[in-house]
Amino acid sequence: DQQVKQNSPSLSVQEGRISILNCDYTNSMFDYFLWYKKYPAEGPTFLISISSIKDKNEDGRFTVFLNKSAKHLSLHIVPSQPGDSAVYFCAINRGSTLGRLYFGRGTQLTVWP
Amino acid sequence: NAGVTQTPKFQVLKTGQSMTLQCAQDMNHEYMSWYRQDPGMGLRLIHYSVGAGITDQGEVPNGYNVSRSTTEDFPLRLLSAAPSQTSVYFCASSYSVTGTGNYEQYFGPGTRLTVT
Repeated sequence: DQQVKQNSPSLSVQEGRISILNCDYTNSMFDYFLWYKKYPAEGPTFLISISSIKDKNEDGRFTVFLNKSAKHLSLHIVPSQPGDSAVYFCAINRGSTLGRLYFGRGTQLTVWP
Repeated sequence: NAGVTQTPKFQVLKTGQSMTLQCAQDMNHEYMSWYRQDPGMGLRLIHYSVGAGITDQGEVPNGYNVSRSTTEDFPLRLLSAAPSQTSVYFCASSYSVTGTGNYEQYFGPGTRLTVT
């Protein structure tokens, strides 16, 4: 049973526009939420995170929003750049599981000039 | 710091062969884990360890063994390779294993395994 869902396998956005990647989760006990970015032939790299006590966290062009009542988080990239083209994974932790992360299936973002 | 290193980068095995995928980290992280990535499936946890001498199963442990004799190393053993184990394997580590704090995990570059 998938606890973390990324329902859009792909997203295509023009350079300079906003990219919005979405993630839904099923377990209200999850308390830490992360986004990872992955280029082909490389390991995933950490991008940005948010804890359940916040509803927004920003880091430069990247902002993560958390809506706990809807069990939904999103990643906004503004402005999008061609170098942002990668697979983005949503990952979620439940505090009682000692650091174990549950990953979504990923969304392939393509930013075209 | 080298971060998380994995060897080999590529491996081809025949059905029934065994091998060990190596993983090492130099960040003194307590938590280490192994994932496999298959097309359309995201990252699935195979085994993990919260410290030297302590390991536990993830969601897809069958066919794999692990041990953690030192903080730095966390090898993954394939006992008798099967075509279903063809995948990309990632090792990861993190420094927080308590009930609060940052669970950011650092990933190695991966091992691409093909079983024929």
